Amino acid sequence: DGGITQSPKYLFRKEGQNVTLSCEQNLNHDAMYWYRQDPGQGLRLIYYSQIVNDFQKGDIAEGYSVSREKKESFPLTVTSAQKNPTAFYLCASAEVNQPQHFGDGTRLSIL
Amino acid sequence: GQNIDQPTEMTATEGAIVQINCTYQTSGFNGLFWYQQHAGEAPTFLSYNVLDGLEEKGRFSSFLSRSKGYSYLLLKELQMKDSASYLCAVNSGGYNKLIFGAGTRLAVHP
Repeated sequence: DGGITQSPKYLFRKEGQNVTLSCEQNLNHDAMYWYRQDPGQGLRLIYYSQIVNDFQKGDIAEGYSVSREKKESFPLTVTSAQKNPTAFYLCASAEVNQPQHFGDGTRLSIL
Repeated sequence: GQNIDQPTEMTATEGAIVQINCTYQTSGFNGLFWYQQHAGEAPTFLSYNVLDGLEEKGRFSSFLSRSKGYSYLLLKELQMKDSASYLCAVNSGGYNKLIFGAGTRLAVHP
């Protein structure tokens, strides 16, 4: 089945720790995106990538980093510089001007 | 700036019709999307409007007026499972970047 797989479903971060959220897609989409969603709010764009080995900052990139070494993979690292990381993180992929397809999300909390 | 406005909450009765409005002010426009999101789950795609007018898809319809910066999602024959948040998102141009509204939480009552 084609789709987007995010892992883990739940993640806990200790003070000063970097954590990496995985996102894999087998839809052969060129573009991939990372969003953050806080309770009662819409999605905010963290980073996006239109092609392998290239990515751009979204609206709230501070404290996050990404890589795009393979077309199907777009991992997100939440660094210790992100002081308020507790949120629901969603990965998406799409073709140009087509609907974005979302993974099931990762819920990140602070220990 | 870029802004998308939707009502925060709406309630409706099972079997009824509900209209969820969305107004937007963005620097560019390449289309408007509606997504449904159940609590704790990922958004799922409902509709896409790029030209003015009404797009119908089963019980769901979406309307767009680009000159007014306005869209609505119309849900007919409401079912309990339609209780969810509905997100309006604008493709503001270039790289399929979406700007999302905060979402409208719809509660359907028997």
